[in-house]
Amino acid sequence: DAGITQSPRHKVTETGTPVTLRCHQTENHRYMYWYRQDPGHGLRLIHYSYGVKDTDKGEVSDGYSVSRSKTEDFLLTLESATSSQTSVYFCASTSSGSSTDTQYFGPGTRLTVL
Amino acid sequence: QQQVKQSPQSLIVQKGGISIINCAYENTAFDYFPWYQQFPGKGPALLIAIRPDVSEKKEGRFTISFNKSAKQFSLHIMDSQPGDSATYFCAASRGGATNKLIFGTGTLLAVQP
Repeated sequence: DAGITQSPRHKVTETGTPVTLRCHQTENHRYMYWYRQDPGHGLRLIHYSYGVKDTDKGEVSDGYSVSRSKTEDFLLTLESATSSQTSVYFCASTSSGSSTDTQYFGPGTRLTVL
Repeated sequence: QQQVKQSPQSLIVQKGGISIINCAYENTAFDYFPWYQQFPGKGPALLIAIRPDVSEKKEGRFTISFNKSAKQFSLHIMDSQPGDSATYFCAASRGGATNKLIFGTGTLLAVQP
């Protein structure tokens, strides 16, 4: 798993509350990614980071924000959780932006928004 | 808009049989095509990958066939085993400095003993 951990692993929250998911990697990888996985959609990129304090949007970024203050940590925040954000969230990291570099995934966080 | 289309959605194969999963893409700027394997409760993990200048790549029982003109690629699992039961995702990456992956919708493979 290339030393990627995610916390919490499971979370239940209520609509309208803010939620922060944490990704921590010990590989000194420069690039980090947040995906959501939903049945029938595969994995979709939410946001990614190409360095400390450098982030950009993915294809499903609405309602999400990210921050990266240290190389090893990448935080995903749901500013005001909605039921449509119920999903399994995966973090990934890779050493460079080359398309041939393997992305290593964390174990996922299952989020339920009631 | 699904840039990478994957089929079938689910697949049941007998032990020892061949599992075949197909993917098609639209964007000719894609330059790398990995396959990821995911077991229940785990994150996806890279299984095998191919570049578009190669028509086939084999690693053990797993083979990718790539047809650039048809914009299609497929994963073949030979001598399928119950331990291969997992969800498989094809993906595509576009050249550049961000390594953003576009995933297919996934195929749930069940290999029956």
